[in-house]
Amino acid sequence: DQQVKQNSPSLSVQEGRISILNCDYTNSMFDYFLWYKKYPAEGPTFLISISSIKDKNEDGRFTVFLNKSAKHLSLHIVPSQPGDSAVYFCAASALNNDMRFGAGTRLTVKP
Amino acid sequence: GAVVSQHPSRVICKSGTSVKIECRSLDFQATTMFWYRQFPKQSLMLMATSNEGSKATYEQGVEKDKFLINHASLTLSTLTVTSAHPEDSSFYICSARDDWGASSYEQYFGPGTRLTVT
Repeated sequence: DQQVKQNSPSLSVQEGRISILNCDYTNSMFDYFLWYKKYPAEGPTFLISISSIKDKNEDGRFTVFLNKSAKHLSLHIVPSQPGDSAVYFCAASALNNDMRFGAGTRLTVKP
Repeated sequence: GAVVSQHPSRVICKSGTSVKIECRSLDFQATTMFWYRQFPKQSLMLMATSNEGSKATYEQGVEKDKFLINHASLTLSTLTVTSAHPEDSSFYICSARDDWGASSYEQYFGPGTRLTVT
């Protein structure tokens, strides 16, 4: 039962361009969404989050957009940098409930 | 920010032996702790959720007699892989949440433990 889906296993972009990572969810009870970044052999690190009462949250180069009607969220990274190359996990949860992760998207930013 | 540590970071053990992995919250009270497993090129798979002082809740398909979880205090949870087999080789990650904190949605992740069973 995959409640959070990231349909693109990989994405490659040129340095300086925009990276857009997408995520879809099925459970309408989710009200908090997060993006994590993960390097090989390390635990995930929190990147940015958004509450369901908002449709956009921005932090520096990172912006998360939430479309509740479509049950879709996306992470925009602009401008992309080689150091952004990692696996990005989308996660969703309801208050005090377990966090569910997508399968991850491997982003490669080419110099 | 909140820090979660895991020990050991890497462990190699022989088939049939047991391995214990510790997960500690260093600067906050972890009322709930989570154990995840990650297979190569796959997502994080939630294995179990534990609340301090009570039995862990295991996800469907996870053998509770094989993966023993003890959440003995508000800062420590342990995962013991009993009678390990090569198919248990994986990357195990814990996370912790302070359900009474200002941001009770947030889970803070440990750095992970690479288990290799030979």
